[in-house]
Amino acid sequence: AQTVTQSQPEMSVQEAETVTLSCTYDTSENNYYLFWYKQPPSRQMILVIRQEAYKQQNATENRFSVNFQKAAKSFSLKISDSQLGDTAMYFCAFMSINNNDMRFGAGTRLTVKP
Amino acid sequence: KAGVTQTPRYLIKTRGQQVTLSCSPISGHRSVSWYQQTPGQGLQFLFEYFSETQRNKGNFPGRFSGRQFSNSRSEMNVSTLELGDSALYLCASSLEGGFGGYTFGSGTRLTVV
Repeated sequence: AQTVTQSQPEMSVQEAETVTLSCTYDTSENNYYLFWYKQPPSRQMILVIRQEAYKQQNATENRFSVNFQKAAKSFSLKISDSQLGDTAMYFCAFMSINNNDMRFGAGTRLTVKP
Repeated sequence: KAGVTQTPRYLIKTRGQQVTLSCSPISGHRSVSWYQQTPGQGLQFLFEYFSETQRNKGNFPGRFSGRQFSNSRSEMNVSTLELGDSALYLCASSLEGGFGGYTFGSGTRLTVV
């Protein structure tokens, strides 16, 4: 079974600085998708960034980028120029191409300090 | 376009009762998935519906069930509620599956007393 591990329960960063959130996963499959979701206090999960495992190039979305290391099964999220609005829980997620069961990590609570 | 709408936002029920939660996906989305979120277990997959058919099911007891209507709206039902069913229930919609990423609703907070 696929598992997703986020080893940092909590992190903090100063406004305008850069922070990296870690995620590792375990799978025997070769084709899959990886995601980072953000959940602010409003509770709604918001898709931050998505990576297709067969693509070597790391995904980027504005201030958000990933470092995808397929052999190491690592998928970290880098947030540049952190903003107060980035304060939220961040969840790493894995989805196999063989089913529609998205597996989530336990989450990292990120606080951006002014 | 309108987002994913979940109703109600909050619900308080008594042990032994049953509850029905509703989810209206984004227009045009045919896949609806349900997740249970608790502090202890995190986000756990309940089931996924696509074109009125349950396509995938998580590891939850039979007290948890769902259905999807022809307009893609989905409901989930929990019978014989237990205290441990207290959780945030999230609905997620996508065009045909979550590969492109889900759009989530704001969830229904269920409290069982």
